[in-house]
Amino acid sequence: QVQLQQSGAELAKPGSSVKISCKASGYTFTSYYISWIKQTTGQGLEYIGYINTGSGGTNYNEKFKGKATLTVDKSSSTAFMQLSSLTPDDSAVYYCALNWFAYWGQGTLVTVSS
Amino acid sequence: DVVMTQTPVSLSVAIGQPASISCKSSQSLVGTSGKTYLNWLLQRPGQSPKRLIYLVSKLDSGIPDRFSGSGSETDFTLKISRVEADDLGVYYCLQGTHFPNTFGAGTKLELK
Repeated sequence: QVQLQQSGAELAKPGSSVKISCKASGYTFTSYYISWIKQTTGQGLEYIGYINTGSGGTNYNEKFKGKATLTVDKSSSTAFMQLSSLTPDDSAVYYCALNWFAYWGQGTLVTVSS
Repeated sequence: DVVMTQTPVSLSVAIGQPASISCKSSQSLVGTSGKTYLNWLLQRPGQSPKRLIYLVSKLDSGIPDRFSGSGSETDFTLKISRVEADDLGVYYCLQGTHFPNTFGAGTKLELK
């Protein structure tokens, strides 16, 4: 069965970067794009962008350009999202999802605090 | 960006009673393919969102037929014919027609 396993919670300092992972299994990795979504209590669910797992091509929500960088490692069937220049506003749960949101990872909590 | 407006914000329903959630988009969700990429998700407490319905009215595998979706263009509705305890949580509409995809703010379904 399709599974998306995300990396564990991160505690980061303002100005630093974090890289979270989303390991896929149960299907051919390059068959589906992987999307990333941010969830906060205040802003709800926000779409960050997606990566074409075959070509590595990306498309970002304008709001997250310069903040998020999406990459993949086909050899390990893993997608990554790096968040840079972190501020407290980046504190959130981040999800990966695929196949038009049919499958979701369990979420990764990122906390930005000094 | 397309704005998705969900109502009501919260809904208190007794077990066995029906429930209905509305979602309105700021522009038509009919894509160039002619398909309408409107999804409904349920997020139970402490869990990831789960897709229930896609393309307006198609039920995902394993979703009971107590759930139904309808609508077109900019107006969409999720209906639960008879609420069960397992249905509690926050429901979101999500449009996948326009980039960036956008979500409604959510409707919290609680037990009366």
